Amino acid sequence: ETGVTQTPRHLVMGMTNKKSLKCEQHLGHNAMYWYKQSAKKPLELMFVYSLEERVENNSVPSRFSPECPNSSHLFLHLHTLQPEDSALYLCASSPYRLAGGVAGELFFGEGSRLTVL
Amino acid sequence: KNEVEQSPQNLTAQEGEFITINCSYSVGISALHWLQQHPGGGIVSLFMLSSGKKKHGRLIATINIQEKHSSLHITASHPRDSAVYICAVGGSQGNLIFGKGTKLSVKP
Repeated sequence: ETGVTQTPRHLVMGMTNKKSLKCEQHLGHNAMYWYKQSAKKPLELMFVYSLEERVENNSVPSRFSPECPNSSHLFLHLHTLQPEDSALYLCASSPYRLAGGVAGELFFGEGSRLTVL
Repeated sequence: KNEVEQSPQNLTAQEGEFITINCSYSVGISALHWLQQHPGGGIVSLFMLSSGKKKHGRLIATINIQEKHSSLHITASHPRDSAVYICAVGGSQGNLIFGKGTKLSVKP
């Protein structure tokens, strides 16, 4: 138990569906992240939120839409995805994020494994 | 060439063996992280270090800033240590750069 909870753990969706991934942390952290992990590739940073403000969008297609309504919750809204978007999506948090990098340890959730048919 | 290179990519060991996983990087860093990912997917942070050596139980992490190299050692390995071990560096441009991971399998 790392203090970061992701739901759902598994998701299968068609290319025309709309779904959302949810991440929740009660560690009092100010920074939250979405990462994508595809088979045999390193983790790729997608989005960074610091104090509920998006501070980085790492050239992610618009079919992925993040939302951070408060410092404890982070969503990733999915719409008209492609089969190549099938991957493990990991949420993480850290105590704070200084300009120019991650500050403090990262705490990851268990991930949401997404399959796009 | 990846900015973070791990070796070996795969490692099989017998229970009780001493294990070393290596990480080399080519960028200037503020900190280096060692992470453990279990088959279910969840990732746990093992160490964050910027110099010297850290120890936690049977795990030891070292870093040589001049040589841009870090090692993760596991003493008296156990089947429950089987996982993917990921090295990540905090680059000068910001955020973490991840290695591809080392898959460790410890046989009883």
